Amino acid sequence: NAGVTQTPKFQVLKTGQSMTLQCAQDMNHNSMYWYRQDPGMGLRLIYYSASEGTTDKGEVPNGYNVSRLNKREFSLRLESAAPSQTSVYFCASSLDRGPAEQFFGPGTRLTVL
Amino acid sequence: KQEVTQIPAALSVPEGENLVLNCSFTDSAIYNLQWFRQDPGKGLTSLLLIQSSQREQTSGRLNASLDKSSGRSTLYIAASQPGDSATYLCAVYTGGFKTIFGAGTRLFVKA
Repeated sequence: NAGVTQTPKFQVLKTGQSMTLQCAQDMNHNSMYWYRQDPGMGLRLIYYSASEGTTDKGEVPNGYNVSRLNKREFSLRLESAAPSQTSVYFCASSLDRGPAEQFFGPGTRLTVL
Repeated sequence: KQEVTQIPAALSVPEGENLVLNCSFTDSAIYNLQWFRQDPGKGLTSLLLIQSSQREQTSGRLNASLDKSSGRSTLYIAASQPGDSATYLCAVYTGGFKTIFGAGTRLFVKA
């Protein structure tokens, strides 16, 4: 039981490049989330998926797209990376929407030059 | 707009000391509050979840309290150990998919 896994752990991009961050959970959770964490700030929600087949914008969705591939997998795509997207990205999941306890992956540290 | 503040941003204590970490929020209309631990370069690990109807939760040496009316929560760590060194974050769930996180308190326990 691996919980929430993320790949890659580290990534360096040049401005304008694209990439996809992968996330998978094996807890049979319905809801999944993508957050970014920046120094001195709390985590901010980028996108979430309440259940398989649905996705919605969070607090800071600009510059990102997501895909809920199936119940287990939720990917985050940067189409044209910008230095402002340099951050640590966390994927999380919870059994249900709303107040359920969230479980986090180890994060992806992304640097955009 | 809900805001979550954690003060101090960093704290250094000698081993064995009992300590309190603080979390304050501006809007008392929350459904629950969660405390997390984050080790350097790692993800968040849930420590305690307090529902809005509860006053406190305990797990081992950890005790978290919640006072909704005053917009405050504390995380009490008894008999601190060097292994407790980490960043501690609190987060409040306000409805829908809105979980608001504090920036965290970085704790260093000296041996």
